[in-house]
Amino acid sequence: QSALTQPASVSGSPGQSITISCTGTSSDIGGYNFVSWYQQHPGKAPKLMIYDVSYRPSGVSNRFSGSKSGNTASLTISGLQAEDEADYYCSSYTRSNTLGVFGGGTKLTVL
Amino acid sequence: QVQLVQSGAEVKKPGASVKVSCKASGYTFTSYGISWVRQAPGQGLEWMGWISAYNGNTNYAQKLQGRVTMTTDTSTSTAYMELRSLRSDDTAVYYCASRGRWEEGLYYYYGMDVWGQGTTVTVSS
Repeated sequence: QSALTQPASVSGSPGQSITISCTGTSSDIGGYNFVSWYQQHPGKAPKLMIYDVSYRPSGVSNRFSGSKSGNTASLTISGLQAEDEADYYCSSYTRSNTLGVFGGGTKLTVL
Repeated sequence: QVQLVQSGAEVKKPGASVKVSCKASGYTFTSYGISWVRQAPGQGLEWMGWISAYNGNTNYAQKLQGRVTMTTDTSTSTAYMELRSLRSDDTAVYYCASRGRWEEGLYYYYGMDVWGQGTTVTVSS
């Protein structure tokens, strides 16, 4: 069982916006600003989309944004495109494990 | 270009060892660490640990302590992950990742933006 809780699936139509949540505790998400988000297409390696809660690496579309409120982090994708269909994983520092922890992953379906 | 290239798929018997390589190019290898992440079939991602390519410091997942060793060869910009006493639940795709960020005070390495293509390790009798 993952220490960070994500919905198993979310869906949206092209052009819409969706938000994926990632819920932890005060020992991880709530206590530190080290939340990252990764996108993974089937059979491919993960790709860093967001780090430090809300920062985008160079080359990542500005349609992707991150935020945090209390013990819950969120990834928002605006202007959904077919290519956004993938699995998304959050990750955070946690006091109980200096390697950090992943969420269980969320499958995004673009209808 | 910036890339990590991993070694090919492996099939091992229970109790054996596997050593996966990860060759870096296009960036200064010793300025970063290498993290290893694995993904069992149909499952999520799991941190295995990391090694600093600068000084060789390591940080392993508690559940793998005693079975995993991560090393680097700075002369060839290559990282290695060896896993011993393999079990069926070690069957997974193993990824290396680099060009992350250090939070020194927390001994935390994260936010890797370069990933290898993955190496499938199958453990079966």
